[in-house]
Amino acid sequence: AQSVAQPEDQVNVAEGNPLTVKCTYSVSGNPYLFWYVQYPNRGLQFLLKYITGDNLVKGSYGFEAEFNKSQTSFHLKKPSALVSDSALYFCAVRVGSGNTGKLIFGQGTTLQVKP
Amino acid sequence: NAGVMQNPRHLVRRRGQEARLRCSPMKGHSHVYWYRQLPEEGLKFMVYLQKENIIDESGMPKERFSAEFPKEGPSILRIQQVVRGDSAAYFCASSPGTGGLYEQYFGPGTRLTVT
Repeated sequence: AQSVAQPEDQVNVAEGNPLTVKCTYSVSGNPYLFWYVQYPNRGLQFLLKYITGDNLVKGSYGFEAEFNKSQTSFHLKKPSALVSDSALYFCAVRVGSGNTGKLIFGQGTTLQVKP
Repeated sequence: NAGVMQNPRHLVRRRGQEARLRCSPMKGHSHVYWYRQLPEEGLKFMVYLQKENIIDESGMPKERFSAEFPKEGPSILRIQQVVRGDSAAYFCASSPGTGGLYEQYFGPGTRLTVT
């Protein structure tokens, strides 16, 4: 079955320190991978995606993600965390072929950045 | 360019009533997806529609739930005879096309509470 796993319910970092939010996936075929962020009582905002090409993908707000095919991972990173980065982060994979565009989401990781 | 719009933002229904959730995709987007987020869980795919067509409804409960995306007007997610387990946040997303190249843009969600 195709799935996405985020092994950490919560990640705590100090402001200014680097952060990593982990994601692993299981899909058949080439994966199309996405990261979204959700602030309280808001919808999801797109951060970045991997379709093909360079394994390091740069996205919004200084975030980047590293695609690792051998480890089936797509970890989200940022060199220097901000308090305003505190939110709920979702990793997702697009599944299906042809006209199917649905996303399978991980369960989410809460990021807490402390001053 | 206005984002994805959903209304109402909050909806309270008594058990047995009907709930209608509306979604207007971004301008130029003809693909609409509905997801449900239960408390403390990630988003689960429900249905994928294009104008006047249901493409994938593999995530829709077999009974009481229906969705449409008419030629004119918003997409509607309809829940008949609501039960307490239907209480959740319902998110709509849209994209300009299908396939992995396009990210999905999410609306702010409708929070349904069944009393």
